[in-house]
Amino acid sequence: GAGVSQTPSNKVTEKGKYVELRCDPISGHTALYWYRQSLGQGPEFLIYFQGTGAADDSGLPNDRFFAVRPEGSVSTLKIQRTERGDSAVYLCASSLDRRNTIYFGEGSWLTVV
Amino acid sequence: EDQVTQSPEALRLQEGESSSLNCSYTVSGLRGLFWYRQDPGKGPEFLFTLYSAGEEKEKERLKATLTKKESFLHITAPKPEDSATYLCAAAGNRDDKIIFGKGTRLHILP
Repeated sequence: GAGVSQTPSNKVTEKGKYVELRCDPISGHTALYWYRQSLGQGPEFLIYFQGTGAADDSGLPNDRFFAVRPEGSVSTLKIQRTERGDSAVYLCASSLDRRNTIYFGEGSWLTVV
Repeated sequence: EDQVTQSPEALRLQEGESSSLNCSYTVSGLRGLFWYRQDPGKGPEFLFTLYSAGEEKEKERLKATLTKKESFLHITAPKPEDSATYLCAAAGNRDDKIIFGKGTRLHILP
C-alpha cells in the first residue's frame, strides 16, 4: 500500500477485555515498530520486528502485551485483560530496514472504560 | 541510557516571527536523528533525517541542523499552517530502538 495502514482507527473496550490492533506496513518494508503515545507525550517504544521475528521487545510494559508478525508483513498487537491505564494511541511504523527512516500510520486510539 | 530532550515544551509565535526548536540527544553511536511533524489526531509525519554532525537539510520554511549533542529545527517566517507538534527522535548503534522526545507544541498566531 501507499502508506502504513492501522485498524481499527478507534476502539472502546471494557476493562478486562481482550483487544487486537492491526498494522499493515508499507509494501517491501522489512522493519516494523509499535509505539504507544499518551496525551502530551512523545511516542514510547514497545517492540521492533525485523522480518517475522521480534528483534527487540524490551518496551512491552508487561506480559499482557504481545505482538506477532507471522508472515513478515502484517503485524498484530494483542492486549489481554485491558486496564484503564492502557488507554492511549498505538502507533505502528515501518521502514526498509533498521538503518532507514521510519514512517508512521495514523494510529489506533484505544479507550478502556 | 539513551535519551532525547526537547525544548521548549510549547512555543507561541506571531506569523512571520522566526525561531528555533531544540533537541538534545544522548545516544551511543548516533545512526540517525529524525524530525517529525504531528497534527492533532494524526500520526507523526516525516520531515528530515540527519546522520552526521554538520549536516543540514531544508524543506520550505524549515531547516534542520545537527551537532554532536544537539539538533535544531529552524522555522523561518512561519505561517499559521505550521502550527503542530514537532517531534525529535534519535537512533543509536546500541540497539534497534528509536527514542522520541516529548515534542514541542508550536502555535503560530495570524
